[in-house]
Amino acid sequence: EAGVAQSPRYKIIEKRQSVAFWCNPISGHATLYWYQQILGQGPKLLIQFQNNGVVDDSQLPKDRFSAERLKGVDSTLKIQPAKLEDSAVYLCASSLFGTGEQNEQFFGPGTRLTVL
Amino acid sequence: LAKTTQPISMDSYEGQEVNITCSHNNIATNDYITWYQQFPSQGPRFIIQGYKTKVTNEVASLFIPADRKSSTLSLPRVSLSDTAVYYCLVGVRMIKAAGNKLTFGGGTRVLVKP
Repeated sequence: EAGVAQSPRYKIIEKRQSVAFWCNPISGHATLYWYQQILGQGPKLLIQFQNNGVVDDSQLPKDRFSAERLKGVDSTLKIQPAKLEDSAVYLCASSLFGTGEQNEQFFGPGTRLTVL
Repeated sequence: LAKTTQPISMDSYEGQEVNITCSHNNIATNDYITWYQQFPSQGPRFIIQGYKTKVTNEVASLFIPADRKSSTLSLPRVSLSDTAVYYCLVGVRMIKAAGNKLTFGGGTRVLVKP
């Protein structure tokens, strides 16, 4: 079974530029998550989708971050404009259901963003 | 969500047993304890989950005392490939949980030496 796919794996931009990350979850997984992991820290949830609806975006900096999952499958996370403190690994995860059985989250390899 | 405290780092040698203790004094009655493992340049991976007493799978064992204010992840006979960061999380059960929000702490960096 294919895992969670993310691209690009690495991205270097200058501050105030825009950047977008793409995630393709495991086939059939209804729930998709985006996490931010700053070096030396644990991942922090940014946003959670159930199909194409947002379940939790309480920790998403909405003035500069946006995310969408239009068809309930793959998702994009955008930062516009980027700041130095956005340098981190952005992890995408998916789970079969947001509620009920089989709730284990499967993580992708992440996209490492460096903002100069 | 209950806050967790775990050691920042631990060193071990190949073939030894590694025990990582996590404190969660404010654990709620319906909270489960879950451990994730993260290798460099990879996303976290689920290891084990438990509620009380002992849980064992092919990778690890999880020991939870009666008061549930702490838990210990036990990795038997570690190898170099077990070098990773291990996260202790407390919250709703992985299965049959609404929302399934994971809150990660800083984790424990385990270094296995030859």
